[in-house]
Amino acid sequence: DAGVTQSPTHLIKTRGQQVTLRCSPISGHKSVSWYQQVLGQGPQFIFQYYEKEERGRGNFPDRFSARQFPNYSSELNVNALLLGDSALYLCASRTESTNEKLFFGSGTQLSVL
Amino acid sequence: GENVEQHPSTLSVQEGDSAVIKCTYSDSASNYFPWYKQELGKGPQLIIDIRSNVGEKKDQRIAVTLNKTAKHFSLHITETQPEDSAVYFCAAPLRGFQKLVFGTGTRLLVSP
Repeated sequence: DAGVTQSPTHLIKTRGQQVTLRCSPISGHKSVSWYQQVLGQGPQFIFQYYEKEERGRGNFPDRFSARQFPNYSSELNVNALLLGDSALYLCASRTESTNEKLFFGSGTQLSVL
Repeated sequence: GENVEQHPSTLSVQEGDSAVIKCTYSDSASNYFPWYKQELGKGPQLIIDIRSNVGEKKDQRIAVTLNKTAKHFSLHITETQPEDSAVYFCAAPLRGFQKLVFGTGTRLLVSP
């Protein structure tokens, strides 16, 4: 079975641009979460979605938004990119919103120049 | 909110030795503690986890121990192999599994 898949794997943008990252969860998983991982640090929670509804938001500005589609795939959108947004963006899925086991994809490496 | 501290930040061992990574957490309501392994260019991979109703869990060469009173949990890797070299993260949940709070990571290097 395929794991969590993310696209693209790498992305280079310039300050002020907008970016959309995509995620497909493990088959049968209904909940998707997004995390940001800055080099040398642990992942930081951005959003959790379940059944197309936002179930949680981390301490990130409104420039960050996300949505989940009926097939449970998800997009993360970041507007007005800053240099500090350069990071590995990880998508993770779980079977239900309250299930403990979280499985991560390989991430999208975003570089903002 | 939850805070997770992880030590050491780097750990170098010889092949065949044991490695121990320790974490402490702050939220006494936390009841699930996963460990992730992250290799270069990949996302974190869940390698073992433990719930608070048990004190120890083992899976082949890896084990996790939990001391809820002291709010400590540890990852133990025995008979280390070069392929164990990676960054290891501990984590604890906040808000009923809505989010995981991760430690700062331990870079493990196993030398042949």
